[in-house]
Amino acid sequence: EVRLVESGGGLVQPGGSLRLSCAASGFTFSSYWMHWVRQVPGKGLVWVSRINPDGSYTSYADAEKGRFTISRDNTKSTLYLQMNSLRVEDTAIYYCAKDFTGDVDQWGQGTLVTVSS
Amino acid sequence: QSALTQPASVSGSPGQSIAISCTGTSSDVGGYIYVSWYQQHPGKAPKLMIYDVNKRPSGVSDRFSGSKSGNTASLTISGLQAEDEADYYCCSYTSSSTYVFGAGTKVTVL
Repeated sequence: EVRLVESGGGLVQPGGSLRLSCAASGFTFSSYWMHWVRQVPGKGLVWVSRINPDGSYTSYADAEKGRFTISRDNTKSTLYLQMNSLRVEDTAIYYCAKDFTGDVDQWGQGTLVTVSS
Repeated sequence: QSALTQPASVSGSPGQSIAISCTGTSSDVGGYIYVSWYQQHPGKAPKLMIYDVNKRPSGVSDRFSGSKSGNTASLTISGLQAEDEADYYCCSYTSSSTYVFGAGTKVTVL
C-alpha cells in the first residue's frame, strides 16, 4: 500500500523559512516523479512543484519560483520542500503526491503551514 | 498560469447522470493527454478518479468516466449516489512543464 506522510508544517512569521518532509513507503520511491500541491483550507488545489526520479530536474509554479526548492533523498525515500521568504498567502495545507504516467495519483494527508505574525 | 475553468456547483438527484466541464487552452487541456480528475470529501485528501483523460484507476467505480473535446475535458458521474457528494477538481499538464488545477466543482446530491 502506498503511504505518504508529510511533516514539518507549523507556524512561521512572514519572511521566515520552513522545510517540509514527506516520507514515502509501499512503492519504489526512486522510480517515480513526485509533486507538492497546496490548498488553502476551504479553497481549491494549487500545484506547487515536481521533481524527477533522480532529482536532476525540477519545475515550479510561477508564484513559488525562486522561493521554494523541491528535493529528494532516494536513500531515505523522502521528498522535501524548502520554503523561504514565506508570505501570509503561503498559508495552506501542503500535500505530497506521487506521479503516475504524468498524472498525480496518490496523495498524503497533508501538513498545515501557517504564515502569520 | 490561470486556473482551469470549472462550474462552481453541479447538482443532481440519486440515479441521475451529471457532467462537470473543465475548460482550458491549447497550452494545457487541449494539448495533452495528461488530464486528470480528483474527488475530495471535506477534511480528506484528494482521490484520483480519472487519469489520462479517460482512464480509471483500479478500484474506482465505472460510474465515473472522462472525455475531452478540444480545450474542454469532462467528468461524467452516472447513477449518482449520496457518497458522490464532494468537491471535484480537474488538472492538466501544461506547455510550461507545470500543472494547473481547476477551481473546483461542488457536487450536491439532492
